Amino acid sequence: QQQVKQSPQSLIVQKGGISIINCAYENTAFDYFPWYQQFPGKGPALLIAIRPDVSEKKEGRFTISFNKSAKQFSLHIMDSQPGDSATYFCAASIRGTYKYIFGTGTRLKVLA
Amino acid sequence: NAGVTQTPKFQVLKTGQSMTLQCAQDMNHEYMSWYRQDPGMGLRLIHYSVGAGITDQGEVPNGYNVSRSTTEDFPLRLLSAAPSQTSVYFCASSRQGNTDTQYFGPGTRLTVL
Repeated sequence: QQQVKQSPQSLIVQKGGISIINCAYENTAFDYFPWYQQFPGKGPALLIAIRPDVSEKKEGRFTISFNKSAKQFSLHIMDSQPGDSATYFCAASIRGTYKYIFGTGTRLKVLA
Repeated sequence: NAGVTQTPKFQVLKTGQSMTLQCAQDMNHEYMSWYRQDPGMGLRLIHYSVGAGITDQGEVPNGYNVSRSTTEDFPLRLLSAAPSQTSVYFCASSRQGNTDTQYFGPGTRLTVL
């Protein structure tokens, strides 16, 4: 019940296309859902995050869509660029627990 | 600010050896944590601390010890290294815990032979 399931494992998108990564969870106590971006040889960096009281959050080309009833959330990267090629992790946490559960990661490659 | 720093960047150990992975942050963050990253498994929480003198176990704590004597430092100790501990280790910090931005260090790649 503590798992966060992420798909796909890898994704290849043409430059200018839309990249979509999905995550699903079971524990309804999760109340914070961040997405992290990781480049090779670097630590993860927070990209965008959402709380379950909103259904969508947009920051530039990055959008999180959140479906509370389905217990799913997804990351959309609009106008994907080669510089977006990285591994993306979704995560979930419960207020006050200080613990994050991470998805298994999606390796995105954007072709020029 | 240097942010979150980790040393060493790479380390090779023999089975049974002990070592300490260092982590420091200069942002005066109360919350610090250690993760390990393995292929196909994402990041898993090993131990975390909500302030100096306070630590707790995460998802995969066995074989690791931590202590937090200062706000800045949060070392991770491997008592008797095993090949199963071959991984990339990341330290992270945040001003508070849940909902605050976690800043990750550059990682330590550890190989246990």
